Amino acid sequence: QVQLVQSGPEVKKPGSSVTVSCKASGGTFSSHAVSWVRQAPGQGLEWMGGIIPLFGTTNYAQKFQGRVTITADESTSTAYMELSRLRSEDTAVYYCARGAYYYDSRGYFIDLWGQGTLVTVSA
Amino acid sequence: DIQMTQSPSTLSASVGDRVTITCRASQSISSWLAWFQQRPGKAPKLLIYKASALEIGVPSRFSGSGSGTEFTLTISSLQPDDFATYYCQQYNDYSGTFGQGTKVEIK
Repeated sequence: QVQLVQSGPEVKKPGSSVTVSCKASGGTFSSHAVSWVRQAPGQGLEWMGGIIPLFGTTNYAQKFQGRVTITADESTSTAYMELSRLRSEDTAVYYCARGAYYYDSRGYFIDLWGQGTLVTVSA
Repeated sequence: DIQMTQSPSTLSASVGDRVTITCRASQSISSWLAWFQQRPGKAPKLLIYKASALEIGVPSRFSGSGSGTEFTLTISSLQPDDFATYYCQQYNDYSGTFGQGTKVEIK
């Protein structure tokens, strides 16, 4: 049974960067779309962006363009999300998520989620 | 970016009620829509994909319909386990935007 195992909680200062990792334990990302989704306290789900490791392509939500970088290392089945220039509003649980890549949709389907990583931004 | 608008934001209902949640896309997404259920402190759980396909293991009281820009999630007879927050998500055209969520509360 494939699981997405994320790195542990982080506390960061405003203006700094954070990197969260996500390892596919018992599986790979090879034919999948990998998304990063965040959820601020008491708020809804927000798709930040994703990567299609098969093609090496990335897509980012307009809101995060220029501030987020998503990468994947297929040799270790690990995906990474780096968010820079952190501010207090970035305090949230960050989820990685995976789903099959459908050529017809070209979008980021999700059917498997990581456990979430709490990132706290505080001075 | 494609925008997804869910309604209502909150819904109060009783056990046994039929419940419908609506999701609208800012442009056509064909049938590339999923519905998720989320309980507090937990990761979301996939219920419906491709607008109307029931995920394995999800009770048949959940159903989805729609295409293009208008979609609905229906719970035919609300059970105690169903009080949660529900999200739609479009997965089309290099993105994966979520609706803002609908919280289903006990009346």
